[in-house]
Amino acid sequence: QSVLTQPPSASGTPGQRVAISCSGSSANIESNAVNWYQQLPGTAPKLLIYSNNQRPSGVPDRFSGSKSGTSASLAISGLQSEDEADYYCAAWDDSLNGYVFGTGTKVTVL
Amino acid sequence: EVQLVESGGGLVQPGGSLRLSCAISGFTFSSYSMNWVRQAPGKGLEWVSYISTSSGSIYYADSVKGRFAISRDNAKKSLYLQMSTLRAEDTAVYYCARGTYYDSSAYPYFDSWGQGTLVTVSS
Repeated sequence: QSVLTQPPSASGTPGQRVAISCSGSSANIESNAVNWYQQLPGTAPKLLIYSNNQRPSGVPDRFSGSKSGTSASLAISGLQSEDEADYYCAAWDDSLNGYVFGTGTKVTVL
Repeated sequence: EVQLVESGGGLVQPGGSLRLSCAISGFTFSSYSMNWVRQAPGKGLEWVSYISTSSGSIYYADSVKGRFAISRDNAKKSLYLQMSTLRAEDTAVYYCARGTYYDSSAYPYFDSWGQGTLVTVSS
């Protein structure tokens, strides 16, 4: 099972703000950068946020990331129907000497 | 355009072997670390293995250590995953993913992904 814990689901109406938490430990989130990936239904994952709060070119500024201690958070402001997807946090784990993904959060736009 | 195309998936019996390949185009393959990530049907993402640019550093998830072997051929612009002693729980879509570093970070994030290849382990 994953060492990074996310809520299984989150939802909101169009235009609302949704936040997804990612809880880890001193071996992963506290020590290393957190990245976020978006996976639309039936497609490969896509990088959404890297190094805690950096957006790759092409990712709307509605998406933002933050980190504090052993937790991280992804916020989606101005929720849109195309944001309906699975979201995963991830980080390197110094104890496991490997990369770990979060349990994943399914975002539903009501 | 950056492209990663996986191949080699299929149906294999428990205890069998399979070799996955990932063909690269659109970037200088030898300059990037690479990874394999898998996703079991209806489940979340699981990192499988990492290989550095020159193959000098290799890491595996505990779940595949001793059974899987990652390798790369920079001249052929290809990444491989040799899978042995396969189990039912290895059934998944396997993605190759490019690793990129930000600033002075010691560990990469995955900025480009292939479309995946399905491996099914079943008798």
